[in-house]
Amino acid sequence: DIQMTQTPSSMPASLGERVTISCRASQGISNYLNWYQQKPDGTIKPLIYYTSNLQSGVPSRFSGSGSGTDYSLTISSLEPEDFAMYYCQQYDSSPLTFGSGTKLEIK
Amino acid sequence: EVQLVESGGGLVQPGRSMKLSCAASGFTFSNYGMAWVRQAPTKGLEWVATISYDGSSTYYRDSVKGRFTISRDNAKSTLYLQMNSLRSEDTATYYCTRDPPIHKGFFDYWGQGVMVTVSS
Repeated sequence: DIQMTQTPSSMPASLGERVTISCRASQGISNYLNWYQQKPDGTIKPLIYYTSNLQSGVPSRFSGSGSGTDYSLTISSLEPEDFAMYYCQQYDSSPLTFGSGTKLEIK
Repeated sequence: EVQLVESGGGLVQPGRSMKLSCAASGFTFSNYGMAWVRQAPTKGLEWVATISYDGSSTYYRDSVKGRFTISRDNAKSTLYLQMNSLRSEDTATYYCTRDPPIHKGFFDYWGQGVMVTVSS
């Protein structure tokens, strides 16, 4: 199985701040990397697919990049609704696997 | 508007069975693969199973293979997960997700989730 390591596990940040969450795969995943946001009520929202493609309706302050084994999600200027959990997920090979999550908290 | 509504969860004893359903609306169900993803309490997300648009192909994670069966009824726009021989480690919130044909493996819509608790 491909292991996905997300860092940091939690991140205190302020409104308006630029933040980056990292995700490292245990082997190359050819850009087959997605990002999701989960709110405290359990609602899950897809953000980015295939490394850098913004899902319809997602604000442009979200962006993704990376290649090989290393990927990242960047939020350019934090809004109040961005404080949530974030998960990366690879779909290069089965079983599809997720990172352990990053909790973005208000500083 | 795409909607995925799960049902059928609850408390079940170890070794027993439970069947989850997911009613889909707002899109042509028979054109899309579908999947179940679960989340144990305070844990991360875990892919469980995927089914192709026509039901001809199914895929499972090893820990549920032989115990869980994913199926669909395209006439009813409904996805199912039959769970047998349940274990305490199957306790989780189960999410129904849509798996689009162009980017298989990207779950572009999620239900609100249904809780399954396996306990005596």
